[in-house]
Order: sequence, then structure tokens, then C-alpha cells
Amino acid sequence: DAGVIQSPRHEVTEMGQEVTLRCKPISGHNSLFWYRQTMMRGLELLIYFNNNVPIDDSGMPEDRFSAKMPNASFSTLKIQPSEPRDSAVYFCASSSGLNTEAFFGQGTRLTVV
Amino acid sequence: AQSVTQPDIHITVSEGASLELRCNYSYGATPYLFWYVQSPGQGLQLLLKYFSGDTLVQGIKGFEAEFKRSQSSFNLRKPSVHWSDAAEYFCAVVNSGAGSYQLTFGKGTKLSVIP
Repeated sequence: DAGVIQSPRHEVTEMGQEVTLRCKPISGHNSLFWYRQTMMRGLELLIYFNNNVPIDDSGMPEDRFSAKMPNASFSTLKIQPSEPRDSAVYFCASSSGLNTEAFFGQGTRLTVV
Repeated sequence: AQSVTQPDIHITVSEGASLELRCNYSYGATPYLFWYVQSPGQGLQLLLKYFSGDTLVQGIKGFEAEFKRSQSSFNLRKPSVHWSDAAEYFCAVVNSGAGSYQLTFGKGTKLSVIP
């Protein structure tokens, strides 16, 4: 298996633009997580899905952030409109259960200017 | 709420020296514990995990960790550090008894290795 695949690896966008981050989890995994990593706050869980259903989105910072998982092999994290303070590395991770180890993608480095 | 503390933000060791990275957790029930490593520009890679059983667990790359319930600790060790071990290390804990997912990461410890 290729592991968790995220795209793009890098994204530079202007403030106010819409940004969509993509994630393909490991085949057979039924839990998917979106994390944000910054120097100031470390790793923060934004939202997680189990069997394609959002379970807890309390970590999503604002209404500008939304996430979807239309099927077991694809998820998106959207920021609209983007702001400079959204600049961070966004990680997607998947696992075979809610309380097993998570496998992380390479991350998307987002820069909002 | 559960929490994970990694007291050391940055550690520097010489190549060949032994290493211990500290991790303390605050959690009432039996935790699931993990150590991840992150190389620059990369995602997090699982080094090892503890769910139950033997409290000394072996991981990849020659790492091991020991779960000590009395000290609420899960310290990571390696007897001889290699220059390629320079990276950031994260301890994490999962609430094993909850119906919802609660994986909490520590702030990380950055390891530098002197040749």
C-alpha cells in the first residue's frame, strides 16, 4: 500500500481565496483524521471521521473550515475564505479503528499570503 | 481531560551516546500510548506503541519504551544514537475507554545529534 496520500504537498494562495486539501486514506482503514501543525500550537486534531461519518469536528477553528468524506477512499478539507493565520502544515491520517495507531500522510504545507 | 507532557523541548546528544526522551501523561484509565517520529518536511511515523501486556515495548530503528503506570510515564530510549535519528519525537495517548476518539499529542522533543 502507498500509505496515506495527500495533495498538494505545497499550496501558496492569497488571502480570501478558497483552498481545498485532499486525502486518500490507506485502503481498508475506516477512520480518518485531519490535523493541523504549527510552531505555536503543535499538532491539533481538527476533525475525524469513522466509516465516512464525521464524529467530532470540535477542533475545527471556524466556520471557514469544512471537511467532507464522500466515500471510504477520499476526504477533503476546505478553507473558504483563507486567511494568513491559516498557514500551517495540514496532515491527514487514517487508522483501522478509532483507538489504534494512526498512519500519517506527508502533509500539505499551506501558505496564505 | 487527558494531557501529554514532554518536558524537554530540545535535546542534543553525541552520536553513539544513549538517549532517553521523557513523556508523562495525565489520564485516569488504561491508556494506549504511542511514540511517533517526524523528520523535517515529513509526516509522522510510528516508532512503537503500548496497548497492554509487557510494559517494555520494542519499536523500529532500535527504539524501546517502558510504560510505568506508577509514574504515569512512557519514556523512549535508545542505547546508541545514530546521526539519522535527528528528528522531532512525539508522544501520544489515546483514551482506550471512550466511545469517541481522543488521541492527544505532546508538544514534541527535537533531537539534535552531534557527529
